[in-house]
Amino acid sequence: QSVLTQPPSASGTPGQGVTISCSGGSSNIGTYTVNWYQHIPGTAPKLLIYLDNLRPSGVPDRISGSKSGTSASLAISGLHSEDEADYYCSSWDDSLNAVLFGGGTRLTVL
Amino acid sequence: QVQLVESGGGVVQPGRSLRLSCATSGFNFRPYALHWVRQAPNKGLEWVAMIWSDGITKFYADSVKGRFTVARDNSKSTLSLQMNNLRAEDTAMYYCTRDPHGSGWAFDFWGQGALVTVSS
Repeated sequence: QSVLTQPPSASGTPGQGVTISCSGGSSNIGTYTVNWYQHIPGTAPKLLIYLDNLRPSGVPDRISGSKSGTSASLAISGLHSEDEADYYCSSWDDSLNAVLFGGGTRLTVL
Repeated sequence: QVQLVESGGGVVQPGRSLRLSCATSGFNFRPYALHWVRQAPNKGLEWVAMIWSDGITKFYADSVKGRFTVARDNSKSTLSLQMNNLRAEDTAMYYCTRDPHGSGWAFDFWGQGALVTVSS
């Protein structure tokens, strides 16, 4: 069981929006920034959001991140079929001295 | 372009050792912290280990502490992971990744992975 908690699954239809949550605690999200990754099985994970809400070059602006207190969210608007993947949040934890990943959320585009 | 290429994966018996390497190119290696992240079959991503740019400061996941050792060679722009006393639960795809300073432990480039299978 991950210290960072994500829903195991999410879904939406093409064109819709979806939000994925990530819940942590004071030793991780409450103190440190959150990053989000997209992982399509068989490929290398891809950084989508860093420092809570910044997008690396090449990530479309229909993908956004936010954080409040000890929780963070990843929002994807205008869903495309190619958004179907696993999504992970991550943050540093100073009680474990470790990088934590959430358990992952599998996004299905119906 | 930035490249990270893992090697050294394979099938190994429980209790034995294996050493993974990650060859990098296309960027200035020295300032970056470097990490290993793994994914066991049908499981999520799990952070394994980190080494700072100084080559001295290292952190490990509790699941590998005392068994795995991360190291870097700045002269060759390579990262390694020495894995001792391997267990079945260490079976996973192992990725090397880099962490730009000030990025909040964000991993912006990843290798394609090296598969480690621990089985008798």
